[in-house]
Amino acid sequence: AQSVTQLGSHVSVSEGALVLLRCNYSSSVPPYLFWYVQYPNQGLQLLLKYTSAATLVKGINGFEAEFKKSETSFHLTKPSAHMSDAAEYFCALGETAGNKLTFGGGTRVLVKP
Amino acid sequence: DVKVTQSSRYLVKRTGEKVFLECVQDMDHENMFWYRQDPGLGLRLIYFSYDVKMKEKGDIPEGYSVSREKKERFSLILESASTNQTSMYLCASNSQAMGNNQPQHFGDGTRLSIL
Repeated sequence: AQSVTQLGSHVSVSEGALVLLRCNYSSSVPPYLFWYVQYPNQGLQLLLKYTSAATLVKGINGFEAEFKKSETSFHLTKPSAHMSDAAEYFCALGETAGNKLTFGGGTRVLVKP
Repeated sequence: DVKVTQSSRYLVKRTGEKVFLECVQDMDHENMFWYRQDPGLGLRLIYFSYDVKMKEKGDIPEGYSVSREKKERFSLILESASTNQTSMYLCASNSQAMGNNQPQHFGDGTRLSIL
């Protein structure tokens, strides 16, 4: 069975500091992986997706993620946090059949001035 | 740009009521999904539909049903609402015709409270 684990339900960073959000997955087939962001009182927006073309994936708002097969990880980073990055972030694993997604539990990011 | 519209942002209902949550997408997507979101649990799939009148159970279908009479509209029905169905409900859609593993596009959610 597929699964996604996000380490840390809450992360606090200072403005200008590195943002690192961890995601590990379990899949019996080559994975498709996504990161989504959810701002307060909104739905989810796609940040980036991995589809095996390149292991380092760049997304919107300065975020990027690196796929590491040996570690079954897809961690999300941003070099310098901005106040507007305060949100909840979800890692998701795609199933080929029906384009379904399995989500991690989410990580809420707090940015301190 | 893809638009997924959920009919209500906030809804308050009483236990035992039949509740309808509506979702409409404007991109002619084949696939539509209903999730519930609870703190610490992420999003869990309730039902999805890959074509008109077609549906499949997700991970937590108990207490819910769905209807898809038109391609653009996907309704979630709580047959007899209970307090443990108080949650945020999110609708999403994506294209099957464009190939596998297309990103899902989400509505803004309906925060449902059952009293």
